[in-house]
Amino acid sequence: SQQGEEDPQALSIQEGENATMNCSYKTSINNLQWYRQNSGRGLVHLILIRSNEREKHSGRLRVTLDTSKKSSSLLITASRAADTASYFCATDTSNYKLTFGKGTLLTVNP
Amino acid sequence: DVKVTQSSRYLVKRTGEKVFLECVQDMDHENMFWYRQDPGLGLRLIYFSYDVKMKEKGDIPEGYSVSREKKERFSLILESASTNQTSMYLCASSPNAGIQETQYFGPGTRLLVL
Repeated sequence: SQQGEEDPQALSIQEGENATMNCSYKTSINNLQWYRQNSGRGLVHLILIRSNEREKHSGRLRVTLDTSKKSSSLLITASRAADTASYFCATDTSNYKLTFGKGTLLTVNP
Repeated sequence: DVKVTQSSRYLVKRTGEKVFLECVQDMDHENMFWYRQDPGLGLRLIYFSYDVKMKEKGDIPEGYSVSREKKERFSLILESASTNQTSMYLCASSPNAGIQETQYFGPGTRLLVL
């Protein structure tokens, strides 16, 4: 399996519920990032968490990082239909490069 | 705001044609990247560049080449397009060399090779 794998592959929830997505990786990292992609569009950066940080917040987003377990989670609180998108984690496996996972497809039903 | 633009949103080409995909960023970023995205495979790095006239192979460079003659422009070239190069192509840029920070993506080019 590749560096940076999201789980679950797909998630369907009702508007107002919280959505949690997980990412596991294999090698040591300097930082981990989460991106969002609306259908057929480019990726948009959401949040970056550094290896010496355990938790970070941005609006309705909360990201945690556990370097001992090589895992991260993205929590979206009070989800909205507009949050429907694919979410990717990315790790800096070497200088210059990010390695992306295959993504979690989140569907928020109105 | 950082803006990354790609020359086409949709492109249809025939097998054997030479295809140019252009990417331009307006924030004086050092690094530029080309990815392809396929269902079930996620994003895969084709080539990247950390300076003008510099290029490095990514994970899947076969069948592709790149050109970076100016800092703001990074071109992906399919020398002889094949049907297995039908894909979504995404360009990205990031500000600094070294440890990877945020990448800024263009809207993507969906290429169909017939």
